[in-house]
Amino acid sequence: VHLQESGPGLLKPSETLSLTCTVSGGSISSGSIRRYYWNWIRQSPGKGLEWIGYIFDNGGTNYSPSLKSRVTISIDTSTNEVSLKLNSVTAADTAVYFCARGRETSETTWRVSYYYYMDVWGKGSTVTVS
Amino acid sequence: SSELTQDPAVSVALGQTVKITCQGDSLRRSYANWYQQKSGQAPVLVIYGEVHRPSGIPARFSGSSSGNTASLTIAGAQAEDEADYYCNCRDSNDRHLELFGGGTKVTVL
Repeated sequence: VHLQESGPGLLKPSETLSLTCTVSGGSISSGSIRRYYWNWIRQSPGKGLEWIGYIFDNGGTNYSPSLKSRVTISIDTSTNEVSLKLNSVTAADTAVYFCARGRETSETTWRVSYYYYMDVWGKGSTVTVS
Repeated sequence: SSELTQDPAVSVALGQTVKITCQGDSLRRSYANWYQQKSGQAPVLVIYGEVHRPSGIPARFSGSSSGNTASLTIAGAQAEDEADYYCNCRDSNDRHLELFGGGTKVTVL
């Protein structure tokens, strides 16, 4: 599976950031055994990773509380694309934006343990707000 | 609180062992994942579910956990292991949310 982010690299303050993550080499949809969710993560210059949110193939979403009021993540299973919109951007939104596939798996020992992790990442898309 | 804390930087001599830690209350109930990020590249998953190593990750990478602390150990560090390492887990206050640690820069001397 390969993920590729795309979108405008330069925005002005107050504009809306729009990025697309194209999934190739595999399905964007979960199967009966494997459950996927599609994440957006960003990294400001010289800083750490910041989770933005994720979406399931059924359209269910969860967002970071700090960005929830400005973020919308959507999915198009017919084109294998996940989109990110972040409105009212400021210089603080300048970052590399990554999409990443999340996986939910389970292991049964004396109990059932559920694991959630991001196993495939795109190379990232640089967005500058100026 | 919903935070994961990592030491900002650590150094290790070539061929020696280094242990990176991640602390947070969420780690008492959620399994840690670890990602390696080399300069200018995307992160790569090196440990998931606290102790599991994805296919293709060298055996010198291992994970462990105790209480509110998860650890990533690199046994016999190589020059190519120099990178930033991030821990991640689900927020125990809201299991739908993801947390990342601030990252640890590992320098191989």
